[in-house]
Amino acid sequence: ETGVTQSPTHLIKTRGQQVTLRCSSQSGHNTVSWYQQALGQGPQFIFQYYREEENGRGNFPPRFSGLQFPNYSSELNVNALELDDSALYLCASSLGNSGPRDGYTFGSGTRLTVV
Amino acid sequence: SQKIEQNSEALNIQEGKTATLTCNYTNYSPAYLQWYRQDPGRGPVFLLLIRENEKEKRKERLKVTFDTTLKQSLFHITASQPADSATYLCALEANQAGTALIFGKGTTLSVSS
Repeated sequence: ETGVTQSPTHLIKTRGQQVTLRCSSQSGHNTVSWYQQALGQGPQFIFQYYREEENGRGNFPPRFSGLQFPNYSSELNVNALELDDSALYLCASSLGNSGPRDGYTFGSGTRLTVV
Repeated sequence: SQKIEQNSEALNIQEGKTATLTCNYTNYSPAYLQWYRQDPGRGPVFLLLIRENEKEKRKERLKVTFDTTLKQSLFHITASQPADSATYLCALEANQAGTALIFGKGTTLSVSS
């Protein structure tokens, strides 16, 4: 059983650019959630995808968008990058959309630095 | 708005002692509460989930309690070891569509030998 894989692990972008982060969910999981974690803070919910449809969104602007593919992998896209977007971006997978029975499985994250 | 507070940002204890971490929440009645461990530069790792109708849950040296009247969860690590040093996050289900989690800021535990 593979875990959650995220790529790339680190990324440096310039303000105003666009970025795409990728996530492969754990085998058997059909739900993917994305979180942003600033230094010294807890993860903040961005959005969730269940069976390729957005299934909930946190307090993030529309320049944060996502996709889920038929194999349940997912992408997070951020347009018009701002300095405050610098953070660890975490992907978490789970089974179903009615609440995890055993918690979420998180990837190791993508460290995004915007300069 | 829903809020989670983990009372201590940092907790330092000696090896062999019991570490107790606190998580308080307001403006919500979660169906369950979760605890995660996070090491520097890594994603959170799920430890325990406790439901609103469960008072206590155990897993090896870990114990979690859930008091829905006090709106508080306590997380205990007994016989702590230096390898337990990490940041521990409390999370509850958000009151919105999907199954988003709201996380506390975390408590960083340091166990010295």
